[in-house]
Amino acid sequence: AQSVTQPDIHITVSEGASLELRCNYSYGATPYLFWYVQSPGQGLQLLLKYFSGDTLVQGIKGFEAEFKRSQSSFNLRKPSVHWSDAAEYFCAVVAPSSNTGKLIFGQGTTLQVKP
Amino acid sequence: SQTIHQWPATLVQPVGSPLSLECTVEGTSNPNLYWYRQAAGRGLQLLFYSVGIGQISSEVPQNLSASRPQDRQFILSSKKLLLSDSGFYLCAWSGGHGEKLFFGSGTQLSVL
Repeated sequence: AQSVTQPDIHITVSEGASLELRCNYSYGATPYLFWYVQSPGQGLQLLLKYFSGDTLVQGIKGFEAEFKRSQSSFNLRKPSVHWSDAAEYFCAVVAPSSNTGKLIFGQGTTLQVKP
Repeated sequence: SQTIHQWPATLVQPVGSPLSLECTVEGTSNPNLYWYRQAAGRGLQLLFYSVGIGQISSEVPQNLSASRPQDRQFILSSKKLLLSDSGFYLCAWSGGHGEKLFFGSGTQLSVL
């Protein structure tokens, strides 16, 4: 069965420190991959996505993610975290052949930023 | 440009009362529409999705139902709310090719 795993439920980093949020997926073939961010009480915002090509993708707000096929991973990174990055982050996948757009989400990682 | 509207933003309802959450999309036609729920401390769960008017697929058997009376309108309903229905509900749309979901701002539902 298809699934997305975010091993870290909660992460705390100091402002200015680097960040890496992990995402692993289980899928029959390489899916389309996404990272979303949800600020408290708000909807989701797309940070970045991977469909094909260059395995290092750049997103908004200084985030990037690297697709590693051999590890079935799509980890999210940021070199220097800002206090405003505190939020919940979701990794998601969808089948490239899907015509319904049904996303499968991970459980989410809550990021706390220390001053 | 496309926009998605979801209301209300917050809702407090007693157990056993009915529910109606509405979501509308503007600026696009024949979108795929979705209802997600996020329970406290958990990830997102797909509840319903629709690829056209009157076409509803349920992902999780439960106390809720969905309807799509118009192309760009998606309604989440319940006849009798349960305590376990509390959560954050998100409406979303996509162009139908699995590329990108656009989310509404969400409804925080508290059932007391």
